[in-house]
Amino acid sequence: GAVVSQHPSWVICKSGTSVKIECRSLDFQATTMFWYRQFPKQSLMLMATSNEGSKATYEQGVEKDKFLINHASLTLSTLTVTSAHPEDSSFYICSARDHGGPTEAFFGQGTRLTVV
Amino acid sequence: SQQGEEDPQALSIQEGENATMNCSYKTSINNLQWYRQNSGRGLVHLILIRSNEREKHSGRLRVTLDTSKKSSSLLITASRAADTASYFCATVYLGSSNTGKLIFGQGTTLQVKP
Repeated sequence: GAVVSQHPSWVICKSGTSVKIECRSLDFQATTMFWYRQFPKQSLMLMATSNEGSKATYEQGVEKDKFLINHASLTLSTLTVTSAHPEDSSFYICSARDHGGPTEAFFGQGTRLTVV
Repeated sequence: SQQGEEDPQALSIQEGENATMNCSYKTSINNLQWYRQNSGRGLVHLILIRSNEREKHSGRLRVTLDTSKKSSSLLITASRAADTASYFCATVYLGSSNTGKLIFGQGTTLQVKP
């Protein structure tokens, strides 16, 4: 299947700093990407839908200014956690759909963020 | 919340046995998908069943869909230790099918003992 690359796979940062996570579709164009957050032993919670060339659509309760999403090209979306705090520590996963292909979503490997 | 429910939350079986996981959802869907997640990793797509389908097979996987009950089941036959993982159902709701937004169930953690 199609490949989605997410980077970094893990990151530790200090409270108050910002962290950028990249999500790339390697062999297909993704006009839409999705960002999820997953707490230990829990399910994935959709944070936002990232649309190439336009503003992201955030789910209810997700702070837009806290989680900045930029979908600058058909193969790259970034999530920036701004002024990170320990409660932002989580597993963040992106996914992308190949609009020229099958309807399933392809997921990145996830990023483990630890804020100390 | 749109999130569906899955049961059981945890399942432990012996290698060779079958494993059945159930998923319920709340509103009309375009399709339902099952994903697998190994600990601390991304998700791998297993199978997709459309709202007009009732059953689908893929290798050792069998998925059923009952839209009248808003439920689905995933059966893994002849389980192997390598099947140990968390399994999630995810739905694409009518109206969101253009974006492909997935809403995930709570997941079932499967442990297959050798």
